[in-house]
Amino acid sequence: DQQVKQNSPSLSVQEGRISILNCDYTNSMFDYFLWYKKYPAEGPTFLISISSIKDKNEDGRFTVFLNKSAKHLSLHIVPSQPGDSAVYFCAAKEYGNKLVFGAGTILRVKS
Amino acid sequence: EAQVTQNPRYLITVTGKKLTVTCSQNMNHEYMSWYRQDPGLGLRQIYYSMNVEVTDKGDVPEGYKVSRKEKRNFPLILESPSPNQTSLYFCASSLRQGRMGDTGELFFGEGSRLTVL
Repeated sequence: DQQVKQNSPSLSVQEGRISILNCDYTNSMFDYFLWYKKYPAEGPTFLISISSIKDKNEDGRFTVFLNKSAKHLSLHIVPSQPGDSAVYFCAAKEYGNKLVFGAGTILRVKS
Repeated sequence: EAQVTQNPRYLITVTGKKLTVTCSQNMNHEYMSWYRQDPGLGLRQIYYSMNVEVTDKGDVPEGYKVSRKEKRNFPLILESPSPNQTSLYFCASSLRQGRMGDTGELFFGEGSRLTVL
């Protein structure tokens, strides 16, 4: 039973436009949500996170939105750049427990 | 430079031939973990360790063993590899996983791609 779901396996966006990556979850006890970015032949790297007590967190071009009533979070990248092309993993954790990852979304930013 | 180092990065082996993937971190992290990444399944946890001599099963521990004799090292052992263990493996570490102040951030190694024929 997947607690964290990324329903879009891939997304293609034009350079300069907005990229929106989505993630749904089922466990209402999650206290932190994170996004990781992974380039080919490299390990995942932490990108941005949000606490369950907030609904938005912004870091430069990256913003994560959390909608707890819908059990949904999204990552917005504005403006998108070719270097943003990577696999993006959504992850969530419950206090005192491990991270649970989604299946990942491949983002391609076309120049 | 703070890092998690895995070896080997690539390995092709045959069914039943024991192998070990090493993992070492230089950040004095207490928590270490192994994940496997498979298409459509994301990252699934194999084993984790909260500290030296403390290890526990993750979601997919069958066919794997681990040990944590030193804080910096957390090797993954496949006693008798099978083709269904062909995957991309990641070691990760964290300072606070499971403790107060834990925000979930993990530091990952670069990955070890294993093929079992």
